[in-house]
Amino acid sequence: KQEVTQIPAALSVPEGENLVLNCSFTDSAIYNLQWFRQDPGKGLTSLLLIQSSQREQTSGRLNASLDKSSGRSTLYIAASQPGDSATYLCAVLGDSGYALNFGKGTSLLVTP
Amino acid sequence: GAGVSQTPSNKVTEKGKYVELRCDPISGHTALYWYRQSLGQGPEFLIYFQGTGAADDSGLPNDRFFAVRPEGSVSTLKIQRTERGDSAVYLCASSFSGAAYEQYFGPGTRLTVT
Repeated sequence: KQEVTQIPAALSVPEGENLVLNCSFTDSAIYNLQWFRQDPGKGLTSLLLIQSSQREQTSGRLNASLDKSSGRSTLYIAASQPGDSATYLCAVLGDSGYALNFGKGTSLLVTP
Repeated sequence: GAGVSQTPSNKVTEKGKYVELRCDPISGHTALYWYRQSLGQGPEFLIYFQGTGAADDSGLPNDRFFAVRPEGSVSTLKIQRTERGDSAVYLCASSFSGAAYEQYFGPGTRLTVT
């Protein structure tokens, strides 16, 4: 069974800092990996999707990398802003081809 | 265009009652998914529809849970004899068919069983 772990569980940084969120998964047989953002009481907003054949994806201040063989992904956020405060979830699409396996998330607080 | 919509946004019900949660997917998406998110946890897979049929319902916790998608568009998740442990946010997602396609999530329904 695919297990997805996110470290750290919570993170507080001052505005302007660059930061890295980590995600690890136990089964390297994946189709893709997605990073989501979840604001309190809201649904999930997809940030980046990396196909298994890709190494990284970038969108604005966000960069996600994937090392499938070692079962790791990182989400890099440059020049953090208070508006980045949210929970960030990592999810892998395993060999079922449809069921996403999620980590518990990293709760990020960016202070002004 | 319109995203995935879910109704109601919040539902409070008494233990033992029956509830229905509705999901309206993005137009043209043939695949539809239900997930459940308990407090402090990531979402967990419940069921996957390909068209009108449930291709995989292995994530449904027990036989009190049932979901339908009769016309291949709107889906309803039905929970009988609700229990306090059913309290969670129920998320719906849709996508085009195929593993390479991104799943788009709705805002969720927060279910509270008192």
